[in-house]
Amino acid sequence: DVKVTQSSRYLVKRTGEKVFLECVQDMDHENMFWYRQDPGLGLRLIYFSYDVKMKEKGDIPEGYSVSREKKERFSLILESASTNQTSMYLCASSLGGGVAKNIQYFGAGTRLSVL
Amino acid sequence: DAKTTQPTSMDCAEGRAANLPCNHSTISGNEYVYWYRQIHSQGPQYIIHGLKNNETNEMASLIITEDRKSSTLILPHATLRDTAVYYCIVRVAVRGSTLGRLYFGRGTQLTVWP
Repeated sequence: DVKVTQSSRYLVKRTGEKVFLECVQDMDHENMFWYRQDPGLGLRLIYFSYDVKMKEKGDIPEGYSVSREKKERFSLILESASTNQTSMYLCASSLGGGVAKNIQYFGAGTRLSVL
Repeated sequence: DAKTTQPTSMDCAEGRAANLPCNHSTISGNEYVYWYRQIHSQGPQYIIHGLKNNETNEMASLIITEDRKSSTLILPHATLRDTAVYYCIVRVAVRGSTLGRLYFGRGTQLTVWP
């Protein structure tokens, strides 16, 4: 089974702190994604990466950055956390290539609270 | 832009078939339909996908109309553990890449009752 592991299930940070959310996948997937999920807004794509050191902005990249130094790891960085970044953050990965290989597998999520 | 329309909620008796509809009237010829579900406080889970033929796997069946403007996900014998939000998604190709974007709308909250 594909496993996507997010480093924390729950995280509480203070406004202005730098926050790192880590995601690791164990299936040698090429593509990785970061979403946030808020009530009434569904899942929104923040950033994605289709290769090591490559990244693309999603729909809501403002206030976030990402890092992908190794194929299996994709980090989401909140440079200066703000209260409106309180949310559930979901990481996903997919193999890449043909359509079946684009099935995304998700981690369990990190519920971040910024106080 | 989710490109799909689903009912907000549905319910189903345990052991009965759950039929979840989805409209995707603007789907183009090479776009696949994906179904995911999300159980409370967990990440979304892939269920099934299809292009124009009906598909079946161990979790569900997917029926796509001939004009491809709508589809139905069928859970043949719903259980309490099938209570979740179900998302119908049309994959959108990213220009210059084989990487497909998935737009998650609000989905359908399916409640299975005993």
